[in-house]
Amino acid sequence: EAQVTQNPRYLITVTGKKLTVTCSQNMNHEYMSWYRQDPGLGLRQIYYSMNVEVTDKGDVPEGYKVSRKEKRNFPLILESPSPNQTSLYFCASRLRESSISRSYEQYFGPGTRLTVT
Amino acid sequence: GEDVEQSLFLSVREGDSSVINCTYTDSSSTYLYWYKQEPGAGLQLLTYIFSNMDMKQDQRLTVLLNKKDKHLSLRIADTQTGDSAIYFCAESQSGTYKYIFGTGTRLKVLA
Repeated sequence: EAQVTQNPRYLITVTGKKLTVTCSQNMNHEYMSWYRQDPGLGLRQIYYSMNVEVTDKGDVPEGYKVSRKEKRNFPLILESPSPNQTSLYFCASRLRESSISRSYEQYFGPGTRLTVT
Repeated sequence: GEDVEQSLFLSVREGDSSVINCTYTDSSSTYLYWYKQEPGAGLQLLTYIFSNMDMKQDQRLTVLLNKKDKHLSLRIADTQTGDSAIYFCAESQSGTYKYIFGTGTRLKVLA
């Protein structure tokens, strides 16, 4: 089954304790992205990657790191989490643009609810 | 910077039509999308429209695009209780993977 998976689904942690949220897709998509969802603010893009070893900042990159060493994985790293990073996080992936494929369709993971106390 | 705005709530009766509105600021948008988010789930693409189109119909869904006013709408005909969800408008440009999402409109369908 074509899917984007995220782990963990729920995480409660304390300020300053480094954490990693994993994201994996099995659709051979070139593009991958991380978003955070907050009430009244919708989804905001944190980082995105257009291919292996190619990453770029979205609208809210501060306090986050990413890496893209393999095509299927795109982990999100919080080196020193703070309470304002309490949020619902989504990973997504998409094919590179092509006139043939449905490359505009972005597939989302189920979300990771993070609480930082 | 680019911005996408939506009203936060909409309530309709089962069987009526729902119209969810969105305004955007980026005139270079290539694709405009509507996503649906059901409780506890990720987002699912409902439909999309290219910026050179005015209208797109897909079964119960009709998307209208007014490029002059930068206004996008989603009409759901014969709204059902299963349509209760949050609906997000989003835009992106060709050649990038940068997406701008709206705040989401929570649609509540009353039986």
